[in-house]
Amino acid sequence: EVQLVESGGGLIQPGGSLRLSCAASGFSVGSNYMSWVRQAPGKGLEWVAIIYSGGSTYYADSVKGRITISRDNTKNTLYLQMYSLRAEDTAVYYCVRGIRGYYYYYMDVWGKGTTVTVS
Amino acid sequence: DIQMTQTPSSLSASVGDRVTITCQASQDIRNYLNWYQQKPGKAPKLLIYDASNLETGVPSRFSGSGSGTDFTFTITGLQPEDIATYYCQLYDNVPRTITFGQGTRLEIK
Repeated sequence: EVQLVESGGGLIQPGGSLRLSCAASGFSVGSNYMSWVRQAPGKGLEWVAIIYSGGSTYYADSVKGRITISRDNTKNTLYLQMYSLRAEDTAVYYCVRGIRGYYYYYMDVWGKGTTVTVS
Repeated sequence: DIQMTQTPSSLSASVGDRVTITCQASQDIRNYLNWYQQKPGKAPKLLIYDASNLETGVPSRFSGSGSGTDFTFTITGLQPEDIATYYCQLYDNVPRTITFGQGTRLEIK
């Protein structure tokens, strides 16, 4: 079964750091285009970061310089390292698998999410 | 960057109704527009990709259309289990970013 399971969320003080993990099963993280998407309480979806199968990484302007997306192919796990956390980073963070072409990217597998609270 | 405008932000309809949500992109994105459903307390779910392709397992009452800058998502024959928030989403290759619409909260009358 294709599945994504996030972990690592919690309560963290402003300025702190946190690393989220996403364990994949049923497919290879290293062969896919993986993203993190977040949702602040009562708000819409916000894309945060993406890592291409070739290893290139891209970030939303709102988190650039404070967040690093990475993966460990041997553990089939995706990570999101967050630094200098702010109250506005409080959100549910979803790990997502995407299907990408030159002009398109859609997200076909979502984890259940992990909650980060910065306070 | 490509901007996305999704309307309406909320709507209320009766069981059996036809419901329509629109997304407008600030520039031509061909047919590369996707739609997701998010039920309360749950992760989003892909319903439609590339404007009109139904994801496997998604009921046929859901459909999408459009190309260029204007896109439409339709539920034909609204069911109680369709209560959710719906989002459109696009991918901008230059720069490499992903944008979601603002969301449409759907309620049953």
